[in-house]
Amino acid sequence: AQTVTQSQPEMSVQEAETVTLSCTYDTSENNYYLFWYKQPPSRQMILVIRQEAYKQQNATENRFSVNFQKAAKSFSLKISDSQLGDTAMYFCAFMVDRGAQKLVFGQGTRLTINP
Amino acid sequence: KAGVTQTPRYLIKTRGQQVTLSCSPISGHRSVSWYQQTPGQGLQFLFEYFSETQRNKGNFPGRFSGRQFSNSRSEMNVSTLELGDSALYLCASSSAVANSPLHFGNGTRLTVT
Repeated sequence: AQTVTQSQPEMSVQEAETVTLSCTYDTSENNYYLFWYKQPPSRQMILVIRQEAYKQQNATENRFSVNFQKAAKSFSLKISDSQLGDTAMYFCAFMVDRGAQKLVFGQGTRLTINP
Repeated sequence: KAGVTQTPRYLIKTRGQQVTLSCSPISGHRSVSWYQQTPGQGLQFLFEYFSETQRNKGNFPGRFSGRQFSNSRSEMNVSTLELGDSALYLCASSSAVANSPLHFGNGTRLTVT
């Protein structure tokens, strides 16, 4: 069974700062995908960034980037130049590359960006 | 393209009743999955449907069931409601092509009294 652990229940930074959210996972699979989702107060889960395990290059999406360490089973999210709109719950998630669309989520990190 | 639509947004039910939640996926998406979100247990996978067939099921009692129609719309049913079923129920759809992301709806907030 796969598990995802987010060790930071809450984080708070000032606007324009850089913040890194941690995520570790456990699996015996070799082919899988990792995701970061954001859930603002509106409740909708929004995909922030994704990483294929077979790719060594870290994914980036504008101000969002990941540090993927496959051997360490670590997948952290870095948000640069943080904005007030980044305030949300952030969930790390894992999916095995075997057809079925099933995400395993971490417990989430509540991120607050202060003005 | 319209996003994933879940109805209703809010529901209040009494213990012992049953409830049906609806999810309309993004046009062209054939996979629909359901998740339960609670403060205590976090986000947990309920089940996934693809082309009207259940492909995967999470660790929930048989009171939780679902189905998918030929137009890919999906419904989730919970019978004999318990207080612990109070949660946000999220539906997600995808094209089910390898590496395709899941797109989530706004969820249905179910309160059982």
